[in-house]
Amino acid sequence: QVTLKESGPALVKPTQTLTLTCSLSGFSLSTSGMRVSWIRQPPGKALEWLARIDWDDDKFYSTSLKTRLTISKDTSKNQVVLTMTNVDPVDTATYYCARIKWGYYFDNWGQGILVTVSS
Amino acid sequence: QSALTQPASASASPGQSITISCTGTSSDVGGYNYVSWYQQYPGKAPKLMIYEVTYRPSGVSNRFSGSKSGNTASLTISGLQAEDEADYYCSSYTSTSTLVVFGGGTKLTVL
Repeated sequence: QVTLKESGPALVKPTQTLTLTCSLSGFSLSTSGMRVSWIRQPPGKALEWLARIDWDDDKFYSTSLKTRLTISKDTSKNQVVLTMTNVDPVDTATYYCARIKWGYYFDNWGQGILVTVSS
Repeated sequence: QSALTQPASASASPGQSITISCTGTSSDVGGYNYVSWYQQYPGKAPKLMIYEVTYRPSGVSNRFSGSKSGNTASLTISGLQAEDEADYYCSSYTSTSTLVVFGGGTKLTVL
């Protein structure tokens, strides 16, 4: 059974760096063809794709957030980490990690983690 | 403002059919068969309903179907049920550097 689970702080202060971890189960990011993405959703608003990392360590970022995001993986722990620098209250959102398939669709999602940016 | 355009809301009565549109450009919806649809209940994670325009994952009711014409993709739900009341999002690959774009979401109400 494929599962993903996000973890990280619920509250961060403006200008700080946010670090989120996605723990994978039921599949390994070291397996050829596997890919994981991060997606966020501000309260009451639409989904927004953030980043993707592939089994071979290829990385892709949202154009609008590229300068602030870093995605990485720890294959020994089967985890994916997303860092976002210089956070602002507009970054308040539920952050999801999801497995992304070759057809650019997300077939399994984590439960999400609500991150609030506030002083 | 989302890259793909969806109606903010839609409604229909139980048993009826409804179609939700998702309009993009030739750089995303119109140029590739990489459109997917997600159902989201309040406070829950999205669930994949349709992928690659027309394919249904195992376990998804055959009342859900997808199609595409030009730059507009559509999700059709037939035989509406109360449990179909949710938000629906479309997504597409895009040849711009952003890679994946979402629609603004459609809130479906089953009257």
